[in-house]
Amino acid sequence: AQKITQTQPGMFVQEKEAVTLDCTYDTSDQSYGLFWYKQPSSGEMIFLIYQGSYDEQNATEGRYSLNFQKARKSANLVISASQLGDSAMYFCAMREGFTGGYNKLIFGAGTRLAVHP
Amino acid sequence: EAQVTQNPRYLITVTGKKLTVTCSQNMNHEYMSWYRQDPGLGLRQIYYSMNVEVTDKGDVPEGYKVSRKEKRNFPLILESPSPNQTSLYFCASSLTGVDTGELFFGEGSRLTVL
Repeated sequence: AQKITQTQPGMFVQEKEAVTLDCTYDTSDQSYGLFWYKQPSSGEMIFLIYQGSYDEQNATEGRYSLNFQKARKSANLVISASQLGDSAMYFCAMREGFTGGYNKLIFGAGTRLAVHP
Repeated sequence: EAQVTQNPRYLITVTGKKLTVTCSQNMNHEYMSWYRQDPGLGLRQIYYSMNVEVTDKGDVPEGYKVSRKEKRNFPLILESPSPNQTSLYFCASSLTGVDTGELFFGEGSRLTVL
């Protein structure tokens, strides 16, 4: 069963507008972590933001925020004021807790974001 | 500069010809891991290592070997590559594992097996 689902293969957004990239997850653990990574066309993986399952507030890092809805098992990434440099592939990932240990991240299939001027 | 270095970055080889992709980190990290990235599948873990001489299988270990003789190095070995191992490979490291910390990725190694 797929544990991380990113339902949007591709998204378009106008420069300076906000965009939400969807991510839903499946786990039976009470303790887990959720990550977002950015992969530009050059190929490297860039860590953006982290949310722990027990964190009461949504994580924010500059223009990135994570809209964490635990009951719905969703961890959407919100990018405010999009810039041309935000054009990239975005991956949602999960670290499971007691069952998964701290040994791997489970990645979604990714969403390709294109920012138009 | 703190980094994870992979070599080669690009490689085209033929079926059955053994190859090694090297990975080295200069951050004194305990944890290292290999992932492969395929379109529509995201990244999947191949092997990981929590410490020197401690390695374990990830989700897709078939056809791969690893070793961790030194803390800084974690090579990925394809003893007899096949076309289904054509992929983009990433090495990653972190201080103690995948907890709340950032996982540092190498720049990726694009492998084509003909």
